[in-house]
Amino acid sequence: EAGVAQSPRYKIIEKRQSVAFWCNPISGHATLYWYQQILGQGPKLLIQFQNNGVVDDSQLPKDRFSAERLKGVDSTLKIQPAKLEDSAVYLCASSQEASPLHFGNGTRLTVT
Amino acid sequence: DQQVKQNSPSLSVQEGRISILNCDYTNSMFDYFLWYKKYPAEGPTFLISISSIKDKNEDGRFTVFLNKSAKHLSLHIVPSQPGDSAVYFCAAYGSSNTGKLIFGQGTTLQVKP
Repeated sequence: EAGVAQSPRYKIIEKRQSVAFWCNPISGHATLYWYQQILGQGPKLLIQFQNNGVVDDSQLPKDRFSAERLKGVDSTLKIQPAKLEDSAVYLCASSQEASPLHFGNGTRLTVT
Repeated sequence: DQQVKQNSPSLSVQEGRISILNCDYTNSMFDYFLWYKKYPAEGPTFLISISSIKDKNEDGRFTVFLNKSAKHLSLHIVPSQPGDSAVYFCAAYGSSNTGKLIFGQGTTLQVKP
């Protein structure tokens, strides 16, 4: 089966600019997650979708981050405006019920 | 609030020997524990898991041990191979919030030929 697809792989922007990441989960996986991994730390959940509804966004900085999952398939994560501390790898993952998460290769964001 | 901790940032072992990676947790509501392996420029991949009702789970060269009273789990790799060199993340979640994995900081394992 095809894995979780993410694009772009790398992005460099200046602070205060905006950026968007795209994720296509494994076919049939109802649950989609966005994680942020800062260098030297473990991944941290930003938002979890079940189909196209939000299950958990308690750790999403809503003043600058937004995410949507239209039609319960693809998802986009947006940052506007970006800050230096947003430099990280943004990982998308998907899962079926009660199965381990499958991660994409991530988007490495550098904010200068 | 670091609910899952991996206190060893790195570990180096010789090929063929045992690798032991450790993980501690603080939240007694965690029901499931997982280990993920991550190569550079790739996403984490699932390795092995254990339910809180068990104290051991084995899959080939990989065994995870859970000590609930100590809130401690470990991953044993026997024998270690150079291809096992990667970052290993311990993760946990409670059944009331399946999917919200809480990750440790990771341990970088280097297996020397």
